[in-house]
Amino acid sequence: QQQVKQSPQSLIVQKGGISIINCAYENTAFDYFPWYQQFPGKGPALLIAIRPDVSEKKEGRFTISFNKSAKQFSLHIMDSQPGDSATYFCAPRMDSSYKLIFGSGTRLLVRP
Amino acid sequence: DAGITQSPRHKVTETGTPVTLRCHQTENHRYMYWYRQDPGHGLRLIHYSYGVKDTDKGEVSDGYSVSRSKTEDFLLTLESATSSQTSVYFCAISEQSYGYTFGSGTRLTVV
Repeated sequence: QQQVKQSPQSLIVQKGGISIINCAYENTAFDYFPWYQQFPGKGPALLIAIRPDVSEKKEGRFTISFNKSAKQFSLHIMDSQPGDSATYFCAPRMDSSYKLIFGSGTRLLVRP
Repeated sequence: DAGITQSPRHKVTETGTPVTLRCHQTENHRYMYWYRQDPGHGLRLIHYSYGVKDTDKGEVSDGYSVSRSKTEDFLLTLESATSSQTSVYFCAISEQSYGYTFGSGTRLTVV
C-alpha cells in the first residue's frame, strides 16, 4: 500500500531554471507536509514545510504549493543552482503518531 | 548532525549474527525513530518510540527489535542478520511541533 507517490524519480534542470517536484497522498490523516533534502552520505534535512490550512508557503527560492482537495503538494525551486543538486523527499506526517511517511525520492541535478 | 549521533557509522557482519545499532540524542526529544533507506524505496519506518520504554512498530519491523531505557538512547537490534537487511539505517528525533532531525546514518552490510 503506497500512501505517498512522488514524481518524477529524477530531474535535470539548467542553472537558473525552475525545478518542480510533486507528491500525491491518499491518507487524510496527514496533518503536516514537509519536504526534506538529502545530500550524498548525509541524513535528510528539513527544507520547508506547510500546514493544511494554507495553500502556499515560500522561503527564499523554495515554495510549497498545497492542494487539499486534490491531495497533492509540490515543491518549486526557483532559480535552481548546482548546489541544489540533491535528493528530495516529500514526507507527510501522521497526526496521531507524528510518523513521517516518505515518498520514494527525486534525484535533482542542476547543470551549470 | 548536532544533538544526534549514530554508531557505528559502518559495519560489516555475517548472516545469522545479531547486530545492534545505537542512536544517542542530547536534545531531550520525546520521539525517536529508526528508518532504513534503500534505492527506490525512500525511507521506510522500522520502529519508533514515543517515550522511555514506549515503542511501536513501523511498516518494515519484521526481523528488528528496539529498546529505549533512557530518553537519550534508542537501540535497534537485528536478531539474526540477513542479506535483505543490508541497508543504510537512519535514526531521527522530534518533538511534536517540529520536523525531524536525522543522524548521519549507519551503513550496514550483511555478507
